[in-house]
Amino acid sequence: EPEVTQTPSHQVTQMGQEVILRCVPISNHLYFYWYRQILGQKVEFLVSFYNNEISEKSEIFDDQFSVERPDGSNFTLKIRSTKLEDSAMYFCASSASSGANVLTFGAGSRLTVL
Amino acid sequence: GEDVEQSLFLSVREGDSSVINCTYTDSSSTYLYWYKQEPGAGLQLLTYIFSNMDMKQDQRLTVLLNKKDKHLSLRIADTQTGDSAIYFCAEIPVDSSYKLIFGSGTRLLVRP
Repeated sequence: EPEVTQTPSHQVTQMGQEVILRCVPISNHLYFYWYRQILGQKVEFLVSFYNNEISEKSEIFDDQFSVERPDGSNFTLKIRSTKLEDSAMYFCASSASSGANVLTFGAGSRLTVL
Repeated sequence: GEDVEQSLFLSVREGDSSVINCTYTDSSSTYLYWYKQEPGAGLQLLTYIFSNMDMKQDQRLTVLLNKKDKHLSLRIADTQTGDSAIYFCAEIPVDSSYKLIFGSGTRLLVRP
């Protein structure tokens, strides 16, 4: 069964450092997403991406976050200057359409900011 | 604003039925979803229901939707130890085609 793959599975970084989380969505999917889950809290929407641009973003997705689809397969989330409160599990997802919006999620990248 | 609430924990015996409940606030939600998360894994879509349906059955899973009370439930028949996981209810609010709003998740523990 096709799957969404994420790397790294776990990253530890120092506060203020830049981090790039990588995702390979399902190949025929057109919509891409990032969600995050701070330990003990709900899974929260960050951003959706379609046709090479952001289609929707949440209040969490401020200027320190950016997304990019640098080639035909990867979808990245960059955090420019990490803060302690960015420590979370980051989930990438993709979907074929926005109708029923059946998202397929990756296993997540755990980010720990020290 | 949009909010999705679930009870945090449910414990059942193997072979019994499990019922996981969820309430949501956006009465105009178009789709409602159930996701499963096993330890160390991502969110796996179990099933979803369109808002004009009352019930959807898929093998051991039955989803009931009460739009009047904004209540969604997931029933797992003949619960197995492999069903132990966290179950998330989620909705798409009417003002978005892209954003899932998740509940806090219900941890299901299946006792042998």
